[in-house]
Amino acid sequence: KNQVEQSPQSLIILEGKNCTLQCNYTVSPFSNLRWYKQDTGRGPVSLTIMTFSENTKSNGRYTATLDADTKQSSLHITASQLSDSASYICVVSSGSARQLTFGSGTQLTVLP
Amino acid sequence: NAGVTQTPKFQVLKTGQSMTLQCAQDMNHNSMYWYRQDPGMGLRLIYYSASEGTTDKGEVPNGYNVSRLNKREFSLRLESAAPSQTSVYFCASSAGLAGVEQYFGPGTRLTVT
Repeated sequence: KNQVEQSPQSLIILEGKNCTLQCNYTVSPFSNLRWYKQDTGRGPVSLTIMTFSENTKSNGRYTATLDADTKQSSLHITASQLSDSASYICVVSSGSARQLTFGSGTQLTVLP
Repeated sequence: NAGVTQTPKFQVLKTGQSMTLQCAQDMNHNSMYWYRQDPGMGLRLIYYSASEGTTDKGEVPNGYNVSRLNKREFSLRLESAAPSQTSVYFCASSAGLAGVEQYFGPGTRLTVT
């Protein structure tokens, strides 16, 4: 069964600090990996989409890495801001949009 | 340009009641989806519509029906609500099915008592 595991489940950091969120997956076949940000009470918003051949992809202060050999991805947030407080969801696609496996998310809280 | 909109935002039903969740997108997307999100779990696909006029079951379709009314609108119906259907429901759309970004609506929080 396809699975996406995220760690940690929750994380609290101080404003201005960096942090890294982890995603391990057992999804086959692999098409792409996505990171979403979900603010409380809102729908998920895409941060990055990475294909098999991409090792790193950035979106402002967010940098995602992908190691397709070990089936691991990470999302690094630089110089965190209060607005970064949200759930970050890792999603792996097996081909089409109907074949997405969602992780349960990492809840990030940024404190002043 | 509102993106994906959903109504209602909140709903409380009694067991056995029926209701329809509405979803509309203004991005001219071909594909639309309904997901549910439960605490501690990832989003799960209920139904999807690859294009206007087609609908297919996702991972957890039991207890739900859908209608792709036109290219813009995709509704989800609960015929006889059960407490197990208490969840947050998200509608999403994408240009196509393969390798493209999905855009999500704000969600409907449904409680069945």
